[in-house]
Amino acid sequence: TQLLEQSPQFLSIQEGENLTVYCNSSSVFSSLQWYRQEPGEGPVLLVTVVTGGEVKKLKRLTFQFGDARKDSSLHITAAQTGDTGLYLCAGGYNTGKLIFGQGTTLQVKP
Amino acid sequence: EAQVTQNPRYLITVTGKKLTVTCSQNMNHEYMSWYRQDPGLGLRQIYYSMNVEVTDKGDVPEGYKVSRKEKRNFPLILESPSPNQTSLYFCASSLGTGAVGETQYFGPGTRLLVL
Repeated sequence: TQLLEQSPQFLSIQEGENLTVYCNSSSVFSSLQWYRQEPGEGPVLLVTVVTGGEVKKLKRLTFQFGDARKDSSLHITAAQTGDTGLYLCAGGYNTGKLIFGQGTTLQVKP
Repeated sequence: EAQVTQNPRYLITVTGKKLTVTCSQNMNHEYMSWYRQDPGLGLRQIYYSMNVEVTDKGDVPEGYKVSRKEKRNFPLILESPSPNQTSLYFCASSLGTGAVGETQYFGPGTRLLVL
């Protein structure tokens, strides 16, 4: 079974702090996606990275795909209470199969 | 409005009673997929389909069946549900094959309880 290890699983920080979430695997992915999920709703795509070493920025969020396309990170600068939610990474294969990490529950306190 | 719809949203059933969860998308997407979400385990792919009449197993296909007779619909069938299939189920679709990380659009989820 292919695994995508996501860490940490829980993170509680104060507003204004920075944080990083990691996803690691022994598998090589054709793409890596990051989703955010609110309670009672389905996940919503934040970003897709497809090239090893690729870095994408979305306002205060920075996403990086590892050079070997086996790992990724999500960095949030100056977290806000509105960033609270469940963050999920997902590795995609050329076959169409998609593997999700366990998720990181982020709580940003005012 | 472009969307993925699932029905029912909530379902309580008993062990062994066959059930079907429907999934429909109105975006003419090629790729559709089913996931289950359990606490601490994230989303796990059950089955996916890259086109009509083409389906493949994901990570946890045991106890589930799917069919893709037409592009817009991708029903999930539990022939003989068991309590370990109690979970939150999501259907998703994307424009292309899903192979290069195209945006997947998720349905609102179906919460299933098997007694």
